[in-house]
Amino acid sequence: NAGVTQTPKFRILKIGQSMTLQCTQDMNHNYMYWYRQDPGMGLKLIYYSVGAGITDKGEVPNGYNVSRSTTEDFPLRLELAAPSQTSVYFCASIILPDYNEQFFGPGTRLTVL
Amino acid sequence: TQLLEQSPQFLSIQEGENLTVYCNSSSVFSSLQWYRQEPGEGPVLLVTVVTGGEVKKLKRLTFQFGDARKDSSLHITAAQPGDTGLYLCAGGPAFGGSQGNLIFGKGTKLSVKP
Repeated sequence: NAGVTQTPKFRILKIGQSMTLQCTQDMNHNYMYWYRQDPGMGLKLIYYSVGAGITDKGEVPNGYNVSRSTTEDFPLRLELAAPSQTSVYFCASIILPDYNEQFFGPGTRLTVL
Repeated sequence: TQLLEQSPQFLSIQEGENLTVYCNSSSVFSSLQWYRQEPGEGPVLLVTVVTGGEVKKLKRLTFQFGDARKDSSLHITAAQPGDTGLYLCAGGPAFGGSQGNLIFGKGTKLSVKP
């Protein structure tokens, strides 16, 4: 199993550009999450999904959109990139809620100039 | 809003020293997880504690969940350079429907010098 994979690893965007951060897991996990990590700020939840076709906002959803058409994939869309979205983005998945390990991808480092 | 405060934010020690990292909140959590993150990688789970007062050991690492399930500590004995990394605590909310969402602390950046 590859676990949770994310692409791209690095990306530089200009203000106003759009892009999709890809996340795929091969563990048949129902629950998936998108976080952003800023220096010294820990991890903030952007969006999450409890199964295909179901998504919900986390703590910091503004400027982002998600979709979950399959169990495996949970892409994160930035429509109009802003410098405030410069961050490292992590996707994670879990098989069941409560007490279980969240498996994280390797992250995407995004810079918006 | 539930918050987890971690301290210290930074810690630089010599190989062989002992250290303790703290994770505190005014809120009750159903569980508390500790993750370690190395540069350029995602966090990796070290341990989950779920019962107030619970103590778990992982080689030289000892984890404790407070009796009231509001705080936790991570103690490392005889730290080694391989322990270097960012340590994150994460709590599962005690009330309301759980979607597996975790509240993360800001992390403790540990550097162990040979």
